[in-house]
Amino acid sequence: EPEVTQTPSHQVTQMGQEVILRCVPISNHLYFYWYRQILGQKVEFLVSFYNNEISEKSEIFDDQFSVERPDGSNFTLKIRSTKLEDSAMYFCASSEASSQETQYFGPGTRLLVL
Amino acid sequence: GDSVTQMEGPVTLSEEAFLTINCTYTATGYPSLFWYVQYPGEGLQLLLKATKADDKGSNKGFEATYRKETTSFHLEKGSVQVSDSAVYFCALLDGSSNTGKLIFGQGTTLQVKP
Repeated sequence: EPEVTQTPSHQVTQMGQEVILRCVPISNHLYFYWYRQILGQKVEFLVSFYNNEISEKSEIFDDQFSVERPDGSNFTLKIRSTKLEDSAMYFCASSEASSQETQYFGPGTRLLVL
Repeated sequence: GDSVTQMEGPVTLSEEAFLTINCTYTATGYPSLFWYVQYPGEGLQLLLKATKADDKGSNKGFEATYRKETTSFHLEKGSVQVSDSAVYFCALLDGSSNTGKLIFGQGTTLQVKP
C-alpha cells in the first residue's frame, strides 16, 4: 500500500541553525501539507501546497518557514533559523485530486532544538 | 473559527469494555469529520470518516455517526483490546475550504488493560 515517507525520523539542531525536513508524498497525490505537534499538545496545521504554490498558511508559518517541491517526488519544509519553540513532531500529509480528499500522514520527524 | 473539542483523557478501560470518546465541533460550513489514531511512536493513521450528516463511519470495530443536530462525532467501540491503546484525534475539514486545512482536537489517550 502506498505511504507517505519522511526523513529524517529524528533531528537535533542548535538554535539559529537551518533545518530541512523532507517528505515523499504518495505518488499520484496533488495536495501536500505540513502539520506539527508540540509534545502533549494538539496537531496544528502549518501550510497547504498545491500546483507549486501555497494554498493556505497558518499564523505559525512565519517568514522563518518555507516549503518547496524541488522535484517530482520530494516536498520539503525549511526552517531558516530555528528557535527552541520549534521543537515538535512535524508531520507531512498528502491527498489525492482534491483538497477535500482524505489526507494520509507520514510517520513524522521529531525535531529538537537545543 | 472552526474548532474541535474532545473529552479529556486518559481513558483507562479493561479489555472487552465499551468505549466512547466524545467529540464535538464548531464550524461555519458543512465539514467532513475524521477520527485519526496515533499508536505509540508512530504517525497519524486515518481510522474512519464521515462526510455528511447522519453518515456513519466505521473501521476495525470502531464507529462514529455524524450528528449535525448536536454537532458531534463520538467514537465508539463495543469491545476494546489492548492493541487499541493509542491516542485518538477527532478532526474536521471545512467543507467550504479549498485548501484542505484539517483542524484537530486535543487528542484522547486510551489505555486498555488486560
